[in-house]
Amino acid sequence: DGGITQSPKYLFRKEGQNVTLSCEQNLNHDAMYWYRQDPGQGLRLIYYSQIVNDFQKGDIAEGYSVSREKKESFPLTVTSAQKNPTAFYLCASSTPTGTGNTIYFGEGSWLTVV
Amino acid sequence: GNSVTQMEGPVTLSEEAFLTINCTYTATGYPSLFWYVQYPGEGLQLLLKATKADDKGSNKGFEATYRKETTSFHLEKGSVQVSDSAVYFCALSDQAAGNKLTFGGGTRVLVKP
Repeated sequence: DGGITQSPKYLFRKEGQNVTLSCEQNLNHDAMYWYRQDPGQGLRLIYYSQIVNDFQKGDIAEGYSVSREKKESFPLTVTSAQKNPTAFYLCASSTPTGTGNTIYFGEGSWLTVV
Repeated sequence: GNSVTQMEGPVTLSEEAFLTINCTYTATGYPSLFWYVQYPGEGLQLLLKATKADDKGSNKGFEATYRKETTSFHLEKGSVQVSDSAVYFCALSDQAAGNKLTFGGGTRVLVKP
């Protein structure tokens, strides 16, 4: 089945460690996105990529890094510089051109700093 | 910049009641508008969308009409079920802003039997 796969579903990180969240899509979408959701709040854009080997910062990129070496994959690294990383992380993808393009989401990854 | 404002929750209803969630937006271009639904512990699912003024999106008994004159996209359902309990997000996508989604803060809906 086509879709977006995020892993792991749950991740615990010790303070000072970097962690990487995986996001893979087989929808043949050009654009991919990472959002952060804090409890009881909306979604905020971390990074997005419209095409392979290119990506742009979103609204809250500090303390995060990404890569886009393959069309299917857009991993997110939460670095030790991110002061408050505990959150629910959502990966998404879409076709970037035209109006009304629909963005599809993965099931999300819960990151907890212990 | 672009922004989306939606009514704060939680909204608590009885089964078969009428649901309305207000959503208004500010955009520099001509956005497409979306409603997403999030069930507990899950990602977001597209509920419906509208791409131009006066379009009506509909799905699973939910409806929303793109009103350019009032910059609104209110979500309605005539008779809710317990299974409609979720968080609902209004969002816009603006081609002038790279088609990134801008979300409202979400509205939690709880339907009681």
